[in-house]
Amino acid sequence: AQSVTQLGSHVSVSEGALVLLRCNYSSSVPPYLFWYVQYPNQGLQLLLKYTTGATLVKGINGFEAEFKKSETSFHLTKPSAHMSDAAEYFCAVRNTGGFKTIFGAGTRLFVKA
Amino acid sequence: GAGVSQSPSNKVTEKGKDVELRCDPISGHTALYWYRQRLGQGLEFLIYFQGNSAPDKSGLPSDRFSAERTGESVSTLTIQRTQQEDSAVYLCASSAGTASYEQYFGPGTRLTVT
Repeated sequence: AQSVTQLGSHVSVSEGALVLLRCNYSSSVPPYLFWYVQYPNQGLQLLLKYTTGATLVKGINGFEAEFKKSETSFHLTKPSAHMSDAAEYFCAVRNTGGFKTIFGAGTRLFVKA
Repeated sequence: GAGVSQSPSNKVTEKGKDVELRCDPISGHTALYWYRQRLGQGLEFLIYFQGNSAPDKSGLPSDRFSAERTGESVSTLTIQRTQQEDSAVYLCASSAGTASYEQYFGPGTRLTVT
C-alpha cells in the first residue's frame, strides 16, 4: 500500500533562509508525486508535480522539488523564504494509471521576520 | 473561469441528524474527488467519480456515508445519523483526467456535529 511521510509537522525558518520540507513515500511502482500548499483560509493549490522526465521540478513562487527514486524522497525546497510562504504544505502520491491520491499529514511552515 | 465551489461553507448540526454537502466541479472536468480533513491531520480520501460512476468507494468510513454525482456535474456527499467524529472539513476536488492531472480543490465545508 502507498503511504506518505512528512517529517516535521511544524517547521520554522527566518525570512531569507532556506526552506526544506521533507517528504518520503512508499509505493510498489514508480508514482506520480505532488506538493500542494494551503494558505490560511484558502483552498489547496498545486505547487508542483513530478510525473515523468526531469527529476528536478520547478513550481510556483520559487519552490522546487527533486524526485530521488533511490531514497524514495520528494523534498520541497526554496532558497530564500518570504513571509508570504507561511502556509501548510502537503506532499501527495498517486500510482501511474491510478486515481487514488494519498496525502501526507502536512507540514506547517512558519516564517519569522 | 470559475473554480470548484462547495456549499455550505459551514454547517453545524446535532448528533443524529443527516447532512448533505454539495460540490460543483470545474466545467468539463470528468473526475471528482471527496476528501475529509480532520483538525491537524492530512487529507483522507473518501471517494472518486469518473463521470457519474464511482469505481472505488472503499474510502467511505461507514455505511452512513454515501455520495452521488449527476453526469459530469454536481456531486453530493450525504452523511446520515451524524456522529461527533464526523466533525471535519470536507474537501472536494476536480480534475480534467486521472493519473498525472492535477486536482483543483474547493474551499471546503466545515462540518461541526454537536
